Amino acid sequence: AQTVTQSQPEMSVQEAETVTLSCTYDTSESDYYLFWYKQPPSRQMILVIRQEAYKQQNATENRFSVNFQKAAKSFSLKISDSQLGDAAMYFCAYRRFLLNNAGNMLTFGGGTRLMVKP
Amino acid sequence: DAGVTQSPTHLIKTRGQQVTLRCSPKSGHDTVSWYQQALGQGPQFIFQYYEEEERQRGNFPDRFSGHQFPNYSSELNVNALLLGDSALYLCASTLVGATNEKLFFGSGTQLSVL
Repeated sequence: AQTVTQSQPEMSVQEAETVTLSCTYDTSESDYYLFWYKQPPSRQMILVIRQEAYKQQNATENRFSVNFQKAAKSFSLKISDSQLGDAAMYFCAYRRFLLNNAGNMLTFGGGTRLMVKP
Repeated sequence: DAGVTQSPTHLIKTRGQQVTLRCSPKSGHDTVSWYQQALGQGPQFIFQYYEEEERQRGNFPDRFSGHQFPNYSSELNVNALLLGDSALYLCASTLVGATNEKLFFGSGTQLSVL
């Protein structure tokens, strides 16, 4: 079974600075997807960024980027120019690759609470 | 375009009772998944419904059951509630087979079992 581990229960960053959230995972599969989700107090899980394991290039979405190290099974999230609105729980998640995407079960880590100081 | 909607938003039940939670998927989506998120933890997969059938199930007892209707909406039923069933229940929808398919989540139902 796949497992996802987030070793940082809480992180803090000064507004406008950069922070990196860590995630490691365990799988025996070669094709899979990795995700970072943000969960603000509204409780809705919001997709931040997605990485396909077959792509060597790290995904980026505006101020958010990842460092995907497939051999090390590491998937960290870097948030640049942090904003007050970035404060939330962040979850790393894993999903198997399936041809028709059916059975798209996500395995989540335990989460990291990000606080942004003004 | 409405996203994933869940009802009710909050619910209080007594141990031993039964509960039904409801989810309407995002417009155009045909697959619904349910997750349980205990306080301070990441969500855990309960099961997924596609074409009105349970397609995949996580490590949850038979007290947890579900249903998908022809309009793709879904219900999660929990029988014989235990204190440990207190959690946020999240529904997520997607369209099977779509390129670059994404999972959209609702805001959840907060269930408290007393």
